[in-house]
Amino acid sequence: NAGVTQTPKFRVLKTGQSMTLLCAQDMNHEYMYWYRQDPGMGLRLIHYSVGEGTTAKGEVPDGYNVSRLKKQNFLLGLESAAPSQTSVYFCASSWSTWQYFGPGTRLTVL
Amino acid sequence: TQLLEQSPQFLSIQEGENLTVYCNSSSVFSSLQWYRQEPGEGPVLLVTVVTGGEVKKLKRLTFQFGDARKDSSLHITAAQPGDTGLYLCAGAPTSGTYKYIFGTGTRLKVLA
Repeated sequence: NAGVTQTPKFRVLKTGQSMTLLCAQDMNHEYMYWYRQDPGMGLRLIHYSVGEGTTAKGEVPDGYNVSRLKKQNFLLGLESAAPSQTSVYFCASSWSTWQYFGPGTRLTVL
Repeated sequence: TQLLEQSPQFLSIQEGENLTVYCNSSSVFSSLQWYRQEPGEGPVLLVTVVTGGEVKKLKRLTFQFGDARKDSSLHITAAQPGDTGLYLCAGAPTSGTYKYIFGTGTRLKVLA
């Protein structure tokens, strides 16, 4: 089992560009999450999903959109990237209270 | 907005020393988790505590959930260089939710 995988690992964008981050899990988990991690601020929840076809806003959803068309995939989109979105993005999936995290995507917006 | 404050933010100690990391809030949580994160990787869950006053042990690590379920501590006995990492606490505001609020983190460095 690969667990939770994220694509890409690194990305540099210019302000105003768009991109999609892909998260995939092979554990048949219902719940999936997108977080961002910034120095001194821990992890902040962007959006989450409680099952295929459902999404909900987290703590910091502005500037991001998500989709969960298939149970195993959770996509995070940035329509018009801003320097404030420079961060490390983590995807997670969970069974009960046990969250499994991916390795992260380091995004820099210039 | 519920917040989880961790202290200290940074800790550098010698191998063999003991240490305690704290996770505090003014809000009640139905459960609380502790994670360890190494550079370039995602956090890995260490433990979940759900009952006020609960104590769990994982080898040299002891986790405690406060009686009022507003705070938690992580105690490491005889720290080793392999314990180096970022320790994060995360609380679930309500029972049955899988939406956790993460603390600000404690960065631990254990010197050989």
